[in-house]
Amino acid sequence: GAGVSQTPSNKVTEKGKYVELRCDPISGHTALYWYRQSLGQGPEFLIYFQGTGAADDSGLPNDRFFAVRPEGSVSTLKIQRTERGDSAVYLCASSRGHTDTQYFGPGTRLTVL
Amino acid sequence: EDQVTQSPEALRLQEGESSSLNCSYTVSGLRGLFWYRQDPGKGPEFLFTLYSAGEEKEKERLKATLTKKESFLHITAPKPEDSATYLCAVQARGNTPLVFGKGTRLSVIA
Repeated sequence: GAGVSQTPSNKVTEKGKYVELRCDPISGHTALYWYRQSLGQGPEFLIYFQGTGAADDSGLPNDRFFAVRPEGSVSTLKIQRTERGDSAVYLCASSRGHTDTQYFGPGTRLTVL
Repeated sequence: EDQVTQSPEALRLQEGESSSLNCSYTVSGLRGLFWYRQDPGKGPEFLFTLYSAGEEKEKERLKATLTKKESFLHITAPKPEDSATYLCAVQARGNTPLVFGKGTRLSVIA
């Protein structure tokens, strides 16, 4: 079946702009996760949704970052007033439930100029 | 604080030269330890989950083992297509997120 998909695959923006990154999880997966991966590092947790609600947003670095999952399927990660330090690959993962294996999408490479 | 340390950072092997990658961890009550493979420009691909000390799992040329402090990913007679970054992650009991190590970048030369 189809895996996790993310769009766009690449996003280049200017400092101070607003960006939205989209994640389409595996059908039927109730848990959805966002991670950020910098060069040479492992993925770093940002936020986890169980259904429509954010069950754990402790990894969001500051209030410029926000994520939604209004219908319990597709999720959007929103970054306001982007900074050069936000440049990274943003990964999305989904699982049947929170204790099940997480399957990752291909990521969105964000570059802030 | 849960922590994962992977070693070596990079490993270069000749085709057929077996070796092991190490993942040392500290966690407040382990629920599971996960191994992923990541190719350049792609997302991590799930390999194994280990739940308790003494557990082993195998897939083709890969075997993962677990003790109370570390996990090893053994690669037997590797091929060039095994070249990738191998990531280790732990999850503590309760609704806690995965904590990843920095990965080991493996290169297998023909």
